[in-house]
Amino acid sequence: GAGVSQSPRYKVTKRGQDVALRCDPISGHVSLYWYRQALGQGPEFLTYFNYEAQQDKSGLPNDRFSAERPEGSISTLTIQRTEQRDSAMYRCASSRKGPQETQYFGPGTRLLVL
Amino acid sequence: SQQGEEDPQALSIQEGENATMNCSYKTSINNLQWYRQNSGRGLVHLILIRSNEREKHSGRLRVTLDTSKKSSSLLITASRAADTASYFCATDAPSGYSTLTFGKGTMLLVSP
Repeated sequence: GAGVSQSPRYKVTKRGQDVALRCDPISGHVSLYWYRQALGQGPEFLTYFNYEAQQDKSGLPNDRFSAERPEGSISTLTIQRTEQRDSAMYRCASSRKGPQETQYFGPGTRLLVL
Repeated sequence: SQQGEEDPQALSIQEGENATMNCSYKTSINNLQWYRQNSGRGLVHLILIRSNEREKHSGRLRVTLDTSKKSSSLLITASRAADTASYFCATDAPSGYSTLTFGKGTMLLVSP
């Protein structure tokens, strides 16, 4: 595709429910990143992959958060037992190879936990 | 935690004026990048400057980097209303697996 796509664009869920957020990176991009952005703040790193391997998950806030990229392309960020504090914009980005190259961001998924 | 700190937090100027935003960071970097985020939209990459570069230009954008002071500046010349957005600097550390750390951003308002 032309750019990074994310779905859904908006997600409203009730506290305690699980949610799965999807990211489709730019075709051929090796590296894929997940960030979370609170209102008025810059994006905060969550995790990233090279191909299907999760290189760094140090930014995941707790064990309710997990991510996978089983075939080295599309990635899913899953939040289990959602809490109100999980409400934020979740952004995905991809780069050609490695975090030291330009990262291209998707439009984000706005998550609201009621 | 956020390494980059942009200054000022908000900037209001008239069309045609220049806008300067600064970014300071704490640890050694490999690259420094500037991104723009329009209200309600995604992040757009503007420019990347490597740690061994001092200045870079792209159209109306000029970025400087001073690694001795751990700071960078973004200058937008002849600003337009369409430049209204939040601007973020992002740094990555020299280690191979390092990822981007963003600042909190500078909100720029350009009035016609």
